[in-house]
Amino acid sequence: DGGITQSPKYLFRKEGQNVTLSCEQNLNHDAMYWYRQDPGQGLRLIYYSQIVNDFQKGDIAEGYSVSREKKESFPLTVTSAQKNPTAFYLCASLPRGGAGNSPLHFGNGTRLTVT
Amino acid sequence: RKEVEQDPGPFNVPEGATVAFNCTYSNSASQSFFWYRQDCRKEPKLLMSVYSSGNEDGRFTAQLNRASQYISLLIRDSKLSDSATYLCVAWCFQGAAGNKLTFGGGTRVLVKP
Repeated sequence: DGGITQSPKYLFRKEGQNVTLSCEQNLNHDAMYWYRQDPGQGLRLIYYSQIVNDFQKGDIAEGYSVSREKKESFPLTVTSAQKNPTAFYLCASLPRGGAGNSPLHFGNGTRLTVT
Repeated sequence: RKEVEQDPGPFNVPEGATVAFNCTYSNSASQSFFWYRQDCRKEPKLLMSVYSSGNEDGRFTAQLNRASQYISLLIRDSKLSDSATYLCVAWCFQGAAGNKLTFGGGTRVLVKP
């Protein structure tokens, strides 16, 4: 079955360390997204990519970086510059043509805790 | 002002009752809308799309009011399993910049026996 895989499910890091969250999809979707969710809050867009080798900043890109070297993969690096990195991170994808007729597909999420 | 706003709740609902809540959006260029359901510590899952004429899916009814820029979700005959956070999403196609999906903060619904 096709889907989006995020790993790991739980991640613990010390303050000051960079950490990379994995997101892989085998849905052949063109667009991929990274969202951050804080407790009791909605999803906020960090970065998104419409095609390979291209990506755009979302609403809260500071302290994060991404790459899109392959269609299937869209890793997110949380750098030491991110002031409050502890959160639930969700990766999602959309097929070509957009969300008009197809929903966002989400991965299971990575819960990052930085101490 | 947030682009998509929701009453965070919680809405405490007796089992079997009806509950309804709205979501307002500020971007008049938003083209499509969706309701997602999110259970605690899980990823959101699509509940239903929202069509201009309104649509129903079993016990769930969604409405769109473009003039007043809000969408609504009504749940009839609430079940304990309906307890979740309901997120509304506004979609806007931005040409070369791609698709922008903006989430509301979610409305928490607690159905009690």
